[in-house]
Amino acid sequence: GAVVSQHPSWVICKSGTSVKIECRSLDFQATTMFWYRQFPKQSLMLMATSNEGSKATYEQGVEKDKFLINHASLTLSTLTVTSAHPEDSSFYICSAPRASGTHEQYFGPGTRLTVT
Amino acid sequence: KQEVTQIPAALSVPEGENLVLNCSFTDSAIYNLQWFRQDPGKGLTSLLLIQSSQREQTSGRLNASLDKSSGRSTLYIAASQPGDSATYLCAVRKSGNTGKLIFGQGTTLQVKP
Repeated sequence: GAVVSQHPSWVICKSGTSVKIECRSLDFQATTMFWYRQFPKQSLMLMATSNEGSKATYEQGVEKDKFLINHASLTLSTLTVTSAHPEDSSFYICSAPRASGTHEQYFGPGTRLTVT
Repeated sequence: KQEVTQIPAALSVPEGENLVLNCSFTDSAIYNLQWFRQDPGKGLTSLLLIQSSQREQTSGRLNASLDKSSGRSTLYIAASQPGDSATYLCAVRKSGNTGKLIFGQGTTLQVKP
């Protein structure tokens, strides 16, 4: 089946630094990818839609200047958390839907971000 | 605004029992519905996808049904095993090509040996 990878799987950074998370679709092209955030024991909340070759679309309440998204190719989207703070600590998950058929969405394994 | 609710929030059953997880959504204008499994600290694994025109999908011991008019879906797990212990999430995709998934809060299942 389709596979979506994320890198890194976990990262610890200091307050004020920036962290980049990569999301790759390994065996299909994805013109659209999605970034979700998950707090402990809570469900996934959509942060933004990443569009290849154009600007990302952010959900209400998500700071676009803080969470920079770049969809540079049909297989890669990156999320950069800028000037990270402890409240940004969370589990970040990306997904990519197949562009044909059932449009089933495939999720990456997630990235655990801890900001100290 | 679409809202997805899952009941119960947690469930503990003995091994071998058949069980049903419930998912309800407020807006029946959906493109499809997916059931996922999430193990602690891990990403999501897609279990079943039901298109809006379908009534059910089956995969092994899993059966998912969809009643779009009433805004409900169920995930039936037959002969549960300890390895089924995980959080189960349902998500609906809105009509159109936005691809956005709206998730429920999940049901955390524990199957005791």
